[in-house]
Amino acid sequence: QVQLQESGPGLLRPSETLSLTCTVSGDSISTYYWSWIRQSPGKGLEWMGYIYRTGSTHYNPSLKGRVTISLGTSTSQFSLKLTSVTPDDTAVYFCARQVGDDPFDIWGQGTKVTVSS
Amino acid sequence: EIVLTQSPGTLSLSPGERATFSCRASQSVDSRYFAWYQQKPGQAPRLLMYGTSRRATGIPDRFSGSGSGTDFTLTITRLESEDFAVYYCHQHGGSPYTFGQGTKLEIK
Repeated sequence: QVQLQESGPGLLRPSETLSLTCTVSGDSISTYYWSWIRQSPGKGLEWMGYIYRTGSTHYNPSLKGRVTISLGTSTSQFSLKLTSVTPDDTAVYFCARQVGDDPFDIWGQGTKVTVSS
Repeated sequence: EIVLTQSPGTLSLSPGERATFSCRASQSVDSRYFAWYQQKPGQAPRLLMYGTSRRATGIPDRFSGSGSGTDFTLTITRLESEDFAVYYCHQHGGSPYTFGQGTKLEIK
């Protein structure tokens, strides 16, 4: 059974860099596409970007170059970095799997990140 | 960016009734890349339908999806108590991938 689990700090100050890790069990990140998606009351569900098994990435232009998704050193992790955070980046952050042309079929439980001074 | 607009915002129905959710896209979406999700409080979204009308693994046949172009529909026949949740439409054919704002299905 494939499971995803997000981890990382829950509280950040404005201008800091958000760093999250998604740990995958029951599958390898050397297959498929792996995305980060966030959800906030103000913006709803927002796809942030994905990384493919080759390491190629594609990001949502709305994040204006602040986002980086990378593969981990192991075959079971990938990461998200979001620079220069503001209170608008307060959200629940999910990692998710996408198989080929299909939509996100497996999601992590989500991790809440709050940006506040 | 393809904007997805869902209606209604809230649907108040009773168990056993039929629920119909609508999603309108700001531009045409390839039906192969259109999906629906269900989300309950404190949980991640759960994939219900993909490719417009294909049920995801484990989804009962009381759920069905239809549509093409800019108009898509999710239908739940014979509502059960576990169906009361928020429903989101999603397109992953155009970048950036986008989601609708959600329709809350509440018990009447």
